[in-house]
Amino acid sequence: TQLLEQSPQFLSIQEGENLTVYCNSSSVFSSLQWYRQEPGEGPVLLVTVVTGGEVKKLKRLTFQFGDARKDSSLHITAAQPGDTGLYLCAGAGLSNTGKLIFGQGTTLQVKP
Amino acid sequence: NAGVTQTPKFRVLKTGQSMTLLCAQDMNHEYMYWYRQDPGMGLRLIHYSVGEGTTAKGEVPDGYNVSRLKKQNFLLGLESAAPSQTSVYFCASSLAGGGNQPQHFGDGTRLSIL
Repeated sequence: TQLLEQSPQFLSIQEGENLTVYCNSSSVFSSLQWYRQEPGEGPVLLVTVVTGGEVKKLKRLTFQFGDARKDSSLHITAAQPGDTGLYLCAGAGLSNTGKLIFGQGTTLQVKP
Repeated sequence: NAGVTQTPKFRVLKTGQSMTLLCAQDMNHEYMYWYRQDPGMGLRLIHYSVGEGTTAKGEVPDGYNVSRLKKQNFLLGLESAAPSQTSVYFCASSLAGGGNQPQHFGDGTRLSIL
């Protein structure tokens, strides 16, 4: 059974601080997706990383896929209150079933 | 643009009652999924479908059944609801099954079993 450990589970920081969220597994994934979820809504895709070592940037958010495709990180620079939400990583297996394994999620609160 | 629509949005059931959650997508997606979200556990896959007329078990299928009679609809049934099934249920769809395919989610159904 594939597992994806996400940390930290909760993060409360001041506006302007930097933070990193980690997703780790002992399994290899074909790709790793990051979603953001607002209260009362479903998750929305932020980015997909596919190649080992890949780095993608989305404004102040930087996503990295580990060289061995077993882990990923999300780094936010100069966090804003608008970044507040639940961040979820999700790994896709090596078969094309479409199934995703989700991490437990990181609840981020950015205080003004 | 509707995307993925889930009905109902909220429901309270008594133990032993049955109900069906409806998911509809208007994006002509082949794949559809049902997840449950519980605090501290992320999303866990209940059942999924890779096309009209097909269904398959996910990570936590016990106590649930599904049907995909039409491509745009994916139904999740609880035959005899139990308090352990209190959760937020999300439906999602994707164009295909590759790992680089994004999943599009509905806004969830909040279900309480008393």
